[in-house]
Amino acid sequence: DTEVTQTPKHLVMGMTNKKSLKCEQHMGHRAMYWYKQKAKKPPELMFVYSYEKLSINESVPSRFSPECPNSSLLNLHLHALQPEDSALYLCASSQVLRGPDTQYFGPGTRLTVL
Amino acid sequence: GIQVEQSPPDLILQEGANSTLRCNFSDSVNNLQWFHQNPWGQLINLFYIPSGTKQNGRLSATTVATERYSLLYISSSQTTDSGVYFCAVKITGSRLTFGEGTQLTVNP
Repeated sequence: DTEVTQTPKHLVMGMTNKKSLKCEQHMGHRAMYWYKQKAKKPPELMFVYSYEKLSINESVPSRFSPECPNSSLLNLHLHALQPEDSALYLCASSQVLRGPDTQYFGPGTRLTVL
Repeated sequence: GIQVEQSPPDLILQEGANSTLRCNFSDSVNNLQWFHQNPWGQLINLFYIPSGTKQNGRLSATTVATERYSLLYISSSQTTDSGVYFCAVKITGSRLTFGEGTQLTVNP
């Protein structure tokens, strides 16, 4: 099974709301990633967890807060977002962070901030 | 960091036509992946191909690592092949770097 799942598929939130995005994989991968993708652009890396520890934070604003409760789950907590944060948020996983192996992507959450 | 260039940026085909997409990269890599992003946003793994040639149905890919390029071939294209094709590469110890993509439209 090479599946990464994400919920919800779509999310509309106001600038004062708090919401969370969820990502799950059962491939035994120990590296998990959050990417942000704007229309007509490639995905941009936001965060990387390796063995459930935050390994990379690409200078993402603190209104985005990642969490890795266990090796299969990755959350992205959202608070006080701006309209420019509207984008497709993609989760991915790979066996390990530093290896040459394949990254598998989930279907994404399409976020709209009003 | 490593530079990844994809060409062409846009490609319009009639159903049944063949096409070749190119990915050039500026350094030696130990990971190269081709993805298809469908109109719903899903990034689908097509190939993991840091070197050599692979085929999967109507799609095939070749990476010439010594010359720092990879080619994706699509034969007998179908409307469902429409979407954006991304090449992404990785150097040991670094993150996956994406090209800007090729937007493919296949008309019936």
